[in-house]
Amino acid sequence: SQQGEEDPQALSIQEGENATMNCSYKTSINNLQWYRQNSGRGLVHLILIRSNEREKHSGRLRVTLDTSKKSSSLLITASRAADTASYFCATRAGSYQLTFGKGTKLSVIP
Amino acid sequence: GAGVSQSPSNKVTEKGKDVELRCDPISGHTALYWYRQSLGQGLEFLIYFQGNSAPDKSGLPSDRFSAERTGGSVSTLTIQRTQQEDSAVYLCASSLKSGLAGGYEQYFGPGTRLTVT
Repeated sequence: SQQGEEDPQALSIQEGENATMNCSYKTSINNLQWYRQNSGRGLVHLILIRSNEREKHSGRLRVTLDTSKKSSSLLITASRAADTASYFCATRAGSYQLTFGKGTKLSVIP
Repeated sequence: GAGVSQSPSNKVTEKGKDVELRCDPISGHTALYWYRQSLGQGLEFLIYFQGNSAPDKSGLPSDRFSAERTGGSVSTLTIQRTQQEDSAVYLCASSLKSGLAGGYEQYFGPGTRLTVT
């Protein structure tokens, strides 16, 4: 069943701008992970934030988690054309399963 | 080291035929997952293997789908009597282990694009 819902479904920005993607989920979670997918192929893990964390950074990536609102955001700063991809949030809720949303398709225009 | 590999990368088959998709996880990863991704959609969980435990098959959409994992390493996903709605990208992932509190990231293979004509 669908747990994470990304918003927006598609986002187009100019190179150098920041990109923000949001994810909402329905049930309590242990952690939330963000993945990137290029050209409809394999996903690459970007960052994991645990339910007791509120913010996490990795390079140009910043993830926030608000468990009271059951939402997370992924910020990519100073975007590059190479950041063009689909971004998925995935939630883990007490089992081994990750439940993925439908993704945000990001286009960074050079 | 080598990542997760999958074969074939593309498979075109006629409706009604059986297909086998293969996944080679990262060496030492005890957990292995199969997902299906239809065009423009998120990932749909199919099946999970952890060590020698019985697999979780709860995500398999019908009894035409089956999977096995031999020797705790290579896995094969088999689809019998394929239907057009089986057309999708089938992704395999592995992780070091899973646990209730663990957040071990999943490493994905490049996927197999299955087209049923």
